[in-house]
Amino acid sequence: KQEVTQIPAALSVPEGENLVLNCSFTDSAIYNLQWFRQDPGKGLTSLLLIQSSQREQTSGRLNASLDKSSGRSTLYIAASQPGDSATYLCAVDSSNTGKLIFGQGTTLQVKP
Amino acid sequence: EPEVTQTPSHQVTQMGQEVILRCVPISNHLYFYWYRQILGQKVEFLVSFYNNEISEKSEIFDDQFSVERPDGSNFTLKIRSTKLEDSAMYFCASSVLRLDSPLHFGNGTRLTVT
Repeated sequence: KQEVTQIPAALSVPEGENLVLNCSFTDSAIYNLQWFRQDPGKGLTSLLLIQSSQREQTSGRLNASLDKSSGRSTLYIAASQPGDSATYLCAVDSSNTGKLIFGQGTTLQVKP
Repeated sequence: EPEVTQTPSHQVTQMGQEVILRCVPISNHLYFYWYRQILGQKVEFLVSFYNNEISEKSEIFDDQFSVERPDGSNFTLKIRSTKLEDSAMYFCASSVLRLDSPLHFGNGTRLTVT
Protein backbone atom coordinates (compact mmCIF):
# COMPACT_ATOMS: atom_id res chain seq x y z
CA LYS A 1 0.00 0.00 0.00
CA GLN A 2 1.42 3.34 -1.06
CA GLU A 3 2.25 5.74 1.75
CA VAL A 4 3.52 9.28 1.40
CA THR A 5 5.47 11.09 4.09
CA GLN A 6 6.59 14.71 4.22
CA ILE A 7 9.36 16.10 6.36
CA PRO A 8 9.48 18.46 8.13
CA ALA A 9 5.90 18.95 9.30
CA ALA A 10 6.57 22.65 9.82
CA LEU A 11 9.28 25.04 8.80
CA SER A 12 9.94 28.68 9.61
CA VAL A 13 12.52 30.68 7.67
CA PRO A 14 13.46 34.34 7.23
CA GLU A 15 12.54 36.02 3.99
CA GLY A 16 15.05 35.51 1.18
CA GLU A 17 16.22 32.06 2.21
CA ASN A 18 16.32 29.15 -0.18
CA LEU A 19 14.61 26.08 1.21
CA VAL A 20 13.88 22.44 0.47
CA LEU A 21 10.77 20.46 1.32
CA ASN A 22 10.96 16.69 1.30
CA CYS A 23 8.52 14.02 0.23
CA SER A 24 9.02 10.26 0.31
CA PHE A 25 6.85 7.43 -0.93
CA THR A 26 7.02 3.72 -0.23
CA ASP A 27 6.16 2.25 -3.65
CA SER A 28 8.31 3.46 -6.53
CA ALA A 29 5.75 2.31 -9.15
CA ILE A 30 4.15 5.70 -9.71
CA TYR A 31 2.79 7.45 -12.78
CA ASN A 32 3.43 10.95 -11.54
CA LEU A 33 3.98 13.08 -8.49
CA GLN A 34 2.32 16.43 -7.89
CA TRP A 35 3.10 19.28 -5.53
CA PHE A 36 0.25 21.44 -4.26
CA ARG A 37 -0.06 24.54 -2.17
CA GLN A 38 -2.89 24.92 0.35
CA ASP A 39 -3.72 28.23 1.96
CA PRO A 40 -5.82 28.24 5.16
CA GLY A 41 -9.48 27.63 4.41
CA LYS A 42 -8.78 27.27 0.72
CA GLY A 43 -8.49 24.51 -1.81
CA LEU A 44 -5.34 23.01 -3.25
CA THR A 45 -3.44 24.81 -5.97
CA SER A 46 -1.38 22.67 -8.31
CA LEU A 47 2.24 23.85 -8.42
CA LEU A 48 4.15 21.23 -10.38
CA LEU A 49 3.54 17.79 -11.86
CA ILE A 50 6.47 15.48 -12.53
CA GLN A 51 5.85 12.52 -14.78
CA SER A 52 7.45 9.22 -13.84
CA SER A 53 9.93 9.52 -16.71
CA GLN A 54 11.07 13.00 -15.66
CA ARG A 55 13.70 14.01 -13.14
CA GLU A 56 12.59 17.55 -12.44
CA GLN A 57 10.19 20.35 -13.26
CA THR A 58 10.59 24.09 -12.80
CA SER A 59 8.12 26.93 -12.49
CA GLY A 60 9.46 30.32 -11.58
CA ARG A 61 11.18 30.10 -8.18
CA LEU A 62 10.02 26.52 -7.69
CA ASN A 63 11.92 23.43 -8.72
CA ALA A 64 10.71 19.90 -8.01
CA SER A 65 12.86 16.83 -8.42
CA LEU A 66 11.92 13.18 -8.54
CA ASP A 67 14.03 10.12 -7.75
CA LYS A 68 11.68 7.22 -8.31
CA SER A 69 14.13 4.50 -7.41
CA SER A 70 14.71 5.91 -3.95
CA GLY A 71 11.09 7.00 -3.52
CA ARG A 72 11.88 10.67 -2.99
CA SER A 73 10.93 14.07 -4.25
CA THR A 74 12.03 17.52 -3.19
CA LEU A 75 10.49 20.92 -3.70
CA TYR A 76 13.07 23.70 -3.80
CA ILE A 77 11.87 27.24 -3.23
CA ALA A 78 14.35 29.95 -4.11
CA ALA A 79 14.46 33.38 -2.47
CA SER A 80 11.45 32.73 -0.27
CA GLN A 81 8.88 35.48 0.30
CA PRO A 82 6.21 35.99 2.98
CA GLY A 83 3.62 35.22 0.31
CA ASP A 84 5.04 31.70 0.08
CA SER A 85 3.68 30.97 3.55
CA ALA A 86 1.25 28.07 3.16
CA THR A 87 1.03 24.30 3.53
CA TYR A 88 2.75 22.37 0.76
CA LEU A 89 1.44 18.93 -0.10
CA CYS A 90 2.91 16.25 -2.28
CA ALA A 91 0.80 13.50 -3.80
CA VAL A 92 1.52 10.47 -5.96
CA ASP A 93 -0.58 8.78 -8.59
CA SER A 94 0.12 5.05 -8.42
CA SER A 95 -2.93 3.77 -10.24
CA ASN A 96 -3.29 5.83 -13.42
CA THR A 97 -6.82 6.73 -12.37
CA GLY A 98 -6.20 10.18 -10.93
CA LYS A 99 -6.40 8.72 -7.45
CA LEU A 100 -3.78 10.69 -5.56
CA ILE A 101 -2.20 9.57 -2.31
CA PHE A 102 -1.26 12.61 -0.26
CA GLY A 103 1.36 13.34 2.33
CA GLN A 104 0.43 15.20 5.46
CA GLY A 105 2.04 18.39 4.25
CA THR A 106 4.73 20.82 5.35
CA THR A 107 3.51 24.10 6.79
CA LEU A 108 5.88 26.86 5.78
CA GLN A 109 6.14 30.25 7.41
CA VAL A 110 8.35 32.87 5.80
CA LYS A 111 9.02 35.75 8.16
CA PRO A 112 9.56 39.27 6.78
CA GLU B 1 -8.26 31.58 -15.25
CA PRO B 2 -11.02 28.93 -15.15
CA GLU B 3 -11.62 27.43 -11.75
CA VAL B 4 -13.58 24.71 -10.01
CA THR B 5 -16.40 26.14 -7.93
CA GLN B 6 -18.07 24.46 -4.99
CA THR B 7 -21.24 25.29 -3.11
CA PRO B 8 -22.02 25.74 -0.32
CA SER B 9 -18.79 26.77 1.36
CA HIS B 10 -20.11 25.54 4.71
CA GLN B 11 -22.92 23.10 5.43
CA VAL B 12 -24.19 22.19 8.87
CA THR B 13 -26.48 19.20 9.16
CA GLN B 14 -27.83 16.87 11.78
CA MET B 15 -26.78 13.25 12.02
CA GLY B 16 -28.91 11.05 9.81
CA GLN B 17 -29.80 13.79 7.34
CA GLU B 18 -28.99 13.70 3.64
CA VAL B 19 -26.64 16.29 2.18
CA ILE B 20 -25.72 17.15 -1.39
CA LEU B 21 -22.47 18.90 -2.10
CA ARG B 22 -22.25 20.64 -5.43
CA CYS B 23 -19.39 21.33 -7.78
CA VAL B 24 -18.97 22.94 -11.17
CA PRO B 25 -15.77 21.57 -12.74
CA ILE B 26 -13.76 23.43 -15.35
CA SER B 27 -15.73 23.30 -18.57
CA ASN B 28 -13.35 21.39 -20.85
CA HIS B 29 -12.30 18.88 -18.20
CA LEU B 30 -13.38 15.27 -18.56
CA TYR B 31 -12.38 13.66 -15.27
CA PHE B 32 -13.94 14.52 -11.95
CA TYR B 33 -13.04 13.66 -8.38
CA TRP B 34 -14.08 14.04 -4.79
CA TYR B 35 -11.56 14.14 -1.97
CA ARG B 36 -12.01 14.90 1.68
CA GLN B 37 -9.84 16.15 4.51
CA ILE B 38 -10.78 15.52 8.10
CA LEU B 39 -9.40 18.25 10.34
CA GLY B 40 -5.73 17.63 11.04
CA GLN B 41 -5.51 14.62 8.73
CA LYS B 42 -4.32 13.93 5.20
CA VAL B 43 -6.35 14.65 2.11
CA GLU B 44 -8.07 11.38 1.15
CA PHE B 45 -9.39 10.18 -2.20
CA LEU B 46 -13.08 9.30 -2.33
CA VAL B 47 -14.07 8.72 -5.94
CA SER B 48 -13.19 9.40 -9.56
CA PHE B 49 -15.77 9.80 -12.32
CA TYR B 50 -15.55 9.74 -16.09
CA ASN B 51 -18.04 9.37 -18.89
CA ASN B 52 -20.93 9.23 -16.43
CA GLU B 53 -19.44 6.32 -14.54
CA ILE B 54 -17.39 5.83 -11.41
CA SER B 55 -13.83 4.95 -12.43
CA GLU B 56 -12.55 4.15 -8.99
CA LYS B 57 -13.70 4.53 -5.41
CA SER B 58 -12.00 4.17 -2.06
CA GLU B 59 -13.04 2.08 0.91
CA ILE B 60 -14.48 5.25 2.44
CA PHE B 61 -16.96 5.58 -0.44
CA ASP B 62 -19.54 3.10 0.81
CA ASP B 63 -23.25 2.77 0.02
CA GLN B 64 -23.98 6.00 1.88
CA PHE B 65 -22.17 7.96 -0.80
CA SER B 66 -23.15 8.57 -4.40
CA VAL B 67 -22.05 10.87 -7.19
CA GLU B 68 -23.90 12.24 -10.14
CA ARG B 69 -23.42 14.52 -13.08
CA PRO B 70 -27.03 15.61 -13.53
CA ASP B 71 -26.35 17.96 -16.42
CA GLY B 72 -23.44 19.17 -18.51
CA SER B 73 -21.91 21.31 -15.82
CA ASN B 74 -22.64 20.12 -12.29
CA PHE B 75 -21.03 17.27 -10.38
CA THR B 76 -22.57 16.33 -7.05
CA LEU B 77 -21.69 14.23 -4.02
CA LYS B 78 -24.58 12.93 -1.96
CA ILE B 79 -24.30 11.49 1.52
CA ARG B 80 -27.56 9.71 2.32
CA SER B 81 -27.47 9.50 6.09
CA THR B 82 -24.70 11.57 7.59
CA LYS B 83 -22.62 10.42 10.54
CA LEU B 84 -20.56 12.49 12.94
CA GLU B 85 -17.41 11.09 11.35
CA ASP B 86 -18.44 12.51 7.96
CA SER B 87 -17.53 15.96 9.26
CA ALA B 88 -14.70 17.12 7.02
CA MET B 89 -13.71 19.46 4.21
CA TYR B 90 -14.87 17.99 0.93
CA PHE B 91 -12.96 18.97 -2.19
CA CYS B 92 -14.07 18.57 -5.76
CA ALA B 93 -11.40 18.38 -8.46
CA SER B 94 -11.25 18.00 -12.21
CA SER B 95 -8.64 17.31 -14.84
CA VAL B 96 -8.45 17.42 -18.61
CA LEU B 97 -6.94 13.99 -18.97
CA ARG B 98 -6.59 11.04 -16.64
CA LEU B 99 -2.87 10.52 -16.87
CA ASP B 100 -0.26 13.17 -16.20
CA SER B 101 -2.80 15.95 -16.01
CA PRO B 102 -2.75 18.24 -12.98
CA LEU B 103 -5.83 18.15 -10.80
CA HIS B 104 -7.58 21.46 -10.26
CA PHE B 105 -9.30 21.69 -6.90
CA GLY B 106 -12.18 23.81 -5.69
CA ASN B 107 -12.08 25.71 -2.40
CA GLY B 108 -14.04 22.98 -0.66
CA THR B 109 -17.23 22.58 1.33
CA ARG B 110 -16.83 22.32 5.07
CA LEU B 111 -19.39 19.79 6.26
CA THR B 112 -20.24 19.81 9.96
CA VAL B 113 -22.45 17.00 11.23
CA THR B 114 -23.96 17.60 14.68
